[in-house]
Amino acid sequence: DAGVIQSPRHEVTEMGQEVTLRCKPISGHNSLFWYRQTMMRGLELLIYFNNNVPIDDSGMPEDRFSAKMPNASFSTLKIQPSEPRDSAVYFCASSHRGGGTNEQFFGPGTRLTVL
Amino acid sequence: AQKVTQAQTEISVVEKEDVTLDCVYETRDTTYYLFWYKQPPSGELVFLIRRNSFDEQNEISGRYSWNFQKSTSSFNFTITASQVVDSAVYFCALSEAEDMRFGAGTRLTVKP
Repeated sequence: DAGVIQSPRHEVTEMGQEVTLRCKPISGHNSLFWYRQTMMRGLELLIYFNNNVPIDDSGMPEDRFSAKMPNASFSTLKIQPSEPRDSAVYFCASSHRGGGTNEQFFGPGTRLTVL
Repeated sequence: AQKVTQAQTEISVVEKEDVTLDCVYETRDTTYYLFWYKQPPSGELVFLIRRNSFDEQNEISGRYSWNFQKSTSSFNFTITASQVVDSAVYFCALSEAEDMRFGAGTRLTVKP
């Protein structure tokens, strides 16, 4: 079975550009999570969806960040405009019936560099 | 607010030594879940174990064992006879509902 799929794996962009990160959760999972990992702040939960509905976006750093989940098999995290401090590894994870009762399976991450 | 503390930032051992990674958590809920994840140098996050708050039984899986003690709010992870392939960053995490909060991680280096 395919795990969580993220694309691109690496993204280098210039400050001010729009960046879109993509995630395909594991089939059958109904919860999806976006995390950001940096050396300074560690692993931070940005937002999570349950049955395609955003449940908690309190971790989204600011209005430049937005996330959507138009269907059960696809989610995007968009940064517009991007800034150098957004450079990080962004992970997507999915779980069945929510991460509180079931483990989250992580994608390989997208390493974002904003110049 | 839920909180996870991994006081050990880095640990270095020699192969075949036993090593324990500490995890202390804070929560007001009586129902919660604890997790350990491994992040090897390749960067992916690998699930190791989940434990719910009502199950304090220790668990052993091969060279890995976990000690859950509610009295001290700890969920420690021991690797017996460590191997070079165990070198990674290990994260402890706590979940009260849907979301999950991670500790800062402990970087384990196993030297040959």
